[in-house]
Amino acid sequence: QQQVKQSPQSLIVQKGGIPIINCAYENTAFDYFPWYQQFPGKGPALLIAIRPDVSEKKEGRFTISFNKSAKQFSLHIMDSQPGDSATYFCAAILSGGYNKLIFGAGTRLAVHP
Amino acid sequence: GAVVSQHPSWVICKSGTSVKIECRSLDFQATTMFWYRQFPKQSLMLMATSNEGSKATYEQGVEKDKFLINHASLTLSTLTVTSAHPEDSSFYICSARDDRGLAKNIQYFGAGTRLSVL
Repeated sequence: QQQVKQSPQSLIVQKGGIPIINCAYENTAFDYFPWYQQFPGKGPALLIAIRPDVSEKKEGRFTISFNKSAKQFSLHIMDSQPGDSATYFCAAILSGGYNKLIFGAGTRLAVHP
Repeated sequence: GAVVSQHPSWVICKSGTSVKIECRSLDFQATTMFWYRQFPKQSLMLMATSNEGSKATYEQGVEKDKFLINHASLTLSTLTVTSAHPEDSSFYICSARDDRGLAKNIQYFGAGTRLSVL
């Protein structure tokens, strides 16, 4: 119940394409869903986050879509660029207590020129 | 923006020695910090939750005596890998939770420390 399932494991798109990364969770008590971007040899950086009472959130070229009834959320990257090539992690937080992050397995994205 | 500094970024040590990794929140206070371990091409595995002024909470399977955590101030947590062995070689990452109001759910990550034990 504490897992967050992420797919696909890897993704290759051409420049300008729209990669979509999907995540699903079981625990309905999760109340905050951040996405992190990680470049090789670096720590994860917060990209965008959403709460379950919102169905969509956009920040620049990044959009989160959230389906509360299906317990699924996804990240869309518009007009993808080679510089977006990185590993993306979805995560979920159960607020209260220590707010531990539950990470998905990660998606390695390659954007080809 | 919130910045977390982690030092050193890379350390090589001999088997049997101890290594200390520092994690500092530079522009915010962090009552709670977290330590993760990441193997190549894998997700982050939470090792322990560090709380200022109290004992750390370790995840199941993480050896408390092997990975000593100290959170002596609101801006500094340290992880000491004691009597390191080659199997402890990994990428260690810390994060700090911003204490301020609406940002309480956000964890900011350090750049990570690559530990190589010879």
